[in-house]
Amino acid sequence: EAGVAQSPRYKIIEKRQSVAFWCNPISGHATLYWYQQILGQGPKLLIQFQNNGVVDDSQLPKDRFSAERLKGVDSTLKIQPAKLEDSAVYLCATKGRTNTIYFGEGSWLTVV
Amino acid sequence: GNSVTQMEGPVTLSEEAFLTINCTYTATGYPSLFWYVQYPGEGLQLLLKATKADDKGSNKGFEATYRKETTSFHLEKGSVQVSDSAVYFCALSNYGQNFVFGPGTRLSVLP
Repeated sequence: EAGVAQSPRYKIIEKRQSVAFWCNPISGHATLYWYQQILGQGPKLLIQFQNNGVVDDSQLPKDRFSAERLKGVDSTLKIQPAKLEDSAVYLCATKGRTNTIYFGEGSWLTVV
Repeated sequence: GNSVTQMEGPVTLSEEAFLTINCTYTATGYPSLFWYVQYPGEGLQLLLKATKADDKGSNKGFEATYRKETTSFHLEKGSVQVSDSAVYFCALSNYGQNFVFGPGTRLSVLP
């Protein structure tokens, strides 16, 4: 079974630029999460989708972050404009019928 | 709200030493409990889980028992290896809700 795929793996941008991350979930997994993991900390939820609907985006900084999950499969997370404090790993995770989430390898963002 | 507390790291052990990483939680209802491991440069991988009180999760020599009376889910391994060096995250989830992660505990195993 293929895992959660994310791209790009690494990205370096200047502050005020924009960046987009892509996630392809495990086939059949209806729930998709985007987490932000700052170095030395645990993952923090940004947004949760159930199919193509948003379940929880209460911790998403909506002035600069946006996410969508068209057709309930792939998802993109965008940051515009980026700030230095956005430097982190952006983890996509998905969940099927069991109460277990599976993570991709993450997209490592450095804002300079 | 739900929360997870883990012992602070880093934890440094010699190979073949006994490992314990403490985890306690606060949650409503009956959450499922998890340990995830993150190797350098990689995403989080599920290590083990337990879904109800007194369940024991185990994998790769690691074990953790869901203790509802002490709201704990401590991770143990009898004999660690250098390859176990990683960051370990305790997490909980009430079914259908968000997963909540602890801050992580870095383990370094020296040969």
